[in-house]
Amino acid sequence: QVQLVESGGGVVQPGRSLRLSCAASGFRFRGYGMHWVRQAPGKGLEWVAIIWHDGSKWNYADSVKGRFTVSRDNARNTLFLQMDSLTTEDTALYYCARIGYDTRAHPADYWGQGTLVTVSS
Amino acid sequence: SFKLTQPPSVSVSPGLTATITCSGERLANKFISWYQQKPGQSPLLVIYQDTKRPSGVPERFSGSNYGSAASLTISETQALDEADYYCQAWDSRSGLVFGGGTKLTVL
Repeated sequence: QVQLVESGGGVVQPGRSLRLSCAASGFRFRGYGMHWVRQAPGKGLEWVAIIWHDGSKWNYADSVKGRFTVSRDNARNTLFLQMDSLTTEDTALYYCARIGYDTRAHPADYWGQGTLVTVSS
Repeated sequence: SFKLTQPPSVSVSPGLTATITCSGERLANKFISWYQQKPGQSPLLVIYQDTKRPSGVPERFSGSNYGSAASLTISETQALDEADYYCQAWDSRSGLVFGGGTKLTVL
């Protein structure tokens, strides 16, 4: 069955960096685009980044552009999110999600359980 | 930037039909997806491409997109349907956009 397991979250000071990972299993990882989506405590869903199945294209939300970098290693079935210059506004539960069904509207058909990032001094 | 607007809350009595709306510009040119999120759980895709249900999602869940607004309809609403619901679309400039979410209360 499809599994997505995020890791790498934790408590970090403002201005520092963190790298999240998402280990995928149960499907042909190299055939699917992937999202990172975050959810601040008590708030709604906020999209962070998308990467195409082969890593050839990517896009970011304006709120993280220039600070976050999405990448993937299809040989290791792993998705990454490098987060630099973190601010308290980045505090959230970070989900990785698989894009399924539609390569035009990019809906997320499977989600991980999330990894919590807390930015605090 | 592209935005999707949802009502913050909707209430429905058990057994009746709940409708959650999602408005935005140029929705006729976009496919809308809907997600259900229960407390402490990850989101679950319940509708994609405006009207389609992923395998395992009950037939009670249906979607529509009339161009000016999209909607998620839950017929014969049950207590287990109580959750937050988010609409979502892809915009070429803004990327993946979520609505602010609607808390569905079944009472």
